[in-house]
Amino acid sequence: AQSVTQLDSHVSVSEGTPVLLRCNYSSSYSPSLFWYVQHPNKGLQLLLKYTSAATLVKGINGFEAEFKKSETSFHLTKPSAHMSDAAEYFCVVCPTSNYGGATNKLIFGTGTLLAVQP
Amino acid sequence: SQTIHQWPATLVQPVGSPLSLECTVEGTSNPNLYWYRQAAGRGLQLLFYSVGIGQISSEVPQNLSASRPQDRQFILSSKKLLLSDSGFYLCASHLGGLRNTEAFFGQGTRLTVV
Repeated sequence: AQSVTQLDSHVSVSEGTPVLLRCNYSSSYSPSLFWYVQHPNKGLQLLLKYTSAATLVKGINGFEAEFKKSETSFHLTKPSAHMSDAAEYFCVVCPTSNYGGATNKLIFGTGTLLAVQP
Repeated sequence: SQTIHQWPATLVQPVGSPLSLECTVEGTSNPNLYWYRQAAGRGLQLLFYSVGIGQISSEVPQNLSASRPQDRQFILSSKKLLLSDSGFYLCASHLGGLRNTEAFFGQGTRLTVV
């Protein structure tokens, strides 16, 4: 069965230090993978996506993620945290079918709440 | 890109009352549409998804139902709300199959059942 696991429910970093939010997935075929950010009481905003092109994906606000098939991981990183990065982050997998197209399900991780300390 | 309109933004309803949340999509055709619920301190739980008009798949048994009367309209309903229906509801649109793109989300509806 397809699934996505976010290994940390809470991450706390100091402003200016690196951010690492971990995500592992399980999928029969190479999936599409996404990271979304959600600020309090807001909708979800796409940070970046992997759809079988370059394995290192650059997104908005200085975030990037690397698709590692051997580790079934898609960890989100940022070199230097900013106070405005404090939010909840979701890793999302869209499995692909055996003909290569996306399936009809978007599967969310349980989210990682990022706190940024001054 | 797609724009998802979701309303109302907030809603307070008494237990036992009906519910209707509406979601409409602009900027695309024949999308996959989704309803998610986000309970406090939890991730997003997929409630329903639809791949076309009149086609609804339910992910979890519950007090809710969904309908898709038009290609770009997705409605979440309940005949009698329960306290446990409180949460943050998100509508999403996604182009699946070979058109695969990221999902677009509405701004959400904060439902409080009292």
